[in-house]
Amino acid sequence: AQKITQTQPGMFVQEKEAVTLDCTYDTSDPSYGLFWYKQPSSGEMIFLIYQGSYDQQNATEGRYSLNFQKARKSANLVISASQLGDSAMYFCAMREDGGSQGNLIFGKGTKLSVKP
Amino acid sequence: EPEVTQTPSHQVTQMGQEVILRCVPISNHLYFYWYRQILGQKVEFLVSFYNNEISEKSEIFDDQFSVERPDGSNFTLKIRSTKLEDSAMYFCASSPRAQGNTEAFFGQGTRLTVV
Repeated sequence: AQKITQTQPGMFVQEKEAVTLDCTYDTSDPSYGLFWYKQPSSGEMIFLIYQGSYDQQNATEGRYSLNFQKARKSANLVISASQLGDSAMYFCAMREDGGSQGNLIFGKGTKLSVKP
Repeated sequence: EPEVTQTPSHQVTQMGQEVILRCVPISNHLYFYWYRQILGQKVEFLVSFYNNEISEKSEIFDDQFSVERPDGSNFTLKIRSTKLEDSAMYFCASSPRAQGNTEAFFGQGTRLTVV
């Protein structure tokens, strides 16, 4: 079974609008971390935001926020006020803390295109 | 700001040849990783390295692959006899710890093309 599921292969958003990128996860580990990375066409992986499984509040980093719904096992990324430079692939990833050495499990990604 | 650096950025090699991909992790980090991304696909974990030994590896990381930290700063991935299907972007990453609120810092990647 997929541990990280991103159901949106591609998304379009109008510049200056908000967009939500979906991510659901599957784990039996009570302690885990959820990450979002951005991959522009140049190929590098840019860390955006982190949510720990025990965090009480949703994580926020500038225009990025994470809508964490633990009972639903979802960790959706919300980008507010989209910019043309936000056009990229976005990957959701999970790290299971129990017994792991910190390796990340990635979803298949969502390609976001921001329209002017 | 400290960063993970990878060399070369692009390598073309003939099938059957050995390649070594190089990485310099962030200096005070303790956990090191290699990931692979076949074009258009998701990023896949290959191997983690801690305390000078492999701590975890995926099923992709077979006998053709090896990792080394030869001199306390470089972290290398060797593919002994490359196959066409080894063509991918290879990312090195490092992290100060394996748990908690800490992300893995990725290098810019090495694009390996096997012809």
